[in-house]
Amino acid sequence: DAGVIQSPRHEVTEMGQEVTLRCKPISGHNSLFWYRQTMMRGLELLIYFNNNVPIDDSGMPEDRFSAKMPNASFSTLKIQPSEPRDSAVYFCASSPRTSTGELFFGEGSRLTVL
Amino acid sequence: AQSVAQPEDQVNVAEGNPLTVKCTYSVSGNPYLFWYVQYPNRGLQFLLKYITGDNLVKGSYGFEAEFNKSQTSFHLKKPSALVSDSALYFCAVRVGGYQKVTFGIGTKLQVIP
Repeated sequence: DAGVIQSPRHEVTEMGQEVTLRCKPISGHNSLFWYRQTMMRGLELLIYFNNNVPIDDSGMPEDRFSAKMPNASFSTLKIQPSEPRDSAVYFCASSPRTSTGELFFGEGSRLTVL
Repeated sequence: AQSVAQPEDQVNVAEGNPLTVKCTYSVSGNPYLFWYVQYPNRGLQFLLKYITGDNLVKGSYGFEAEFNKSQTSFHLKKPSALVSDSALYFCAVRVGGYQKVTFGIGTKLQVIP
């Protein structure tokens, strides 16, 4: 079975550029989560969706970050404009409706902003 | 609010010895507790969970964890460590009825041959 698919795996960009990270959750999963991982702060929940609807975006750092889930099989996390402090690994995870909470993670997108 | 503490940045253990990775939690309500493992340049993989019932739960790769309500702890254990167990381990918590999962900072496990 295909797992959670994230793209790109690596992105290097310059400060001020727009960055779009993409995620395809596991088919049939109804919840989708975006996390950011850094050495200093560990894993931070940015936003999560239930049935394509954003439920909690309190972890989104600021207005430069936005996330969408136009359908059950696709989500994007956009940073505009990007800054060096946004450099991190961004993970997408999904979870099925019947789950007691375990998450299925993608391989992550490593973002470097110069 | 919910939170997880992993007091050790790194745990070193000799191959074949038992290992323990510590985790304590704080929640308002009944906790659902999880352990995940992360290998270098990979995503997190689910190891085991406690929802209710027996305080000792068993998971993948021979790992187990013990839920202790009075100490609000959920330590990860394995009777005999393997070099291949070397990785980053995360404890996580959510409150029943809510989907937000909060992770600890992670503990690096180093198994020495």
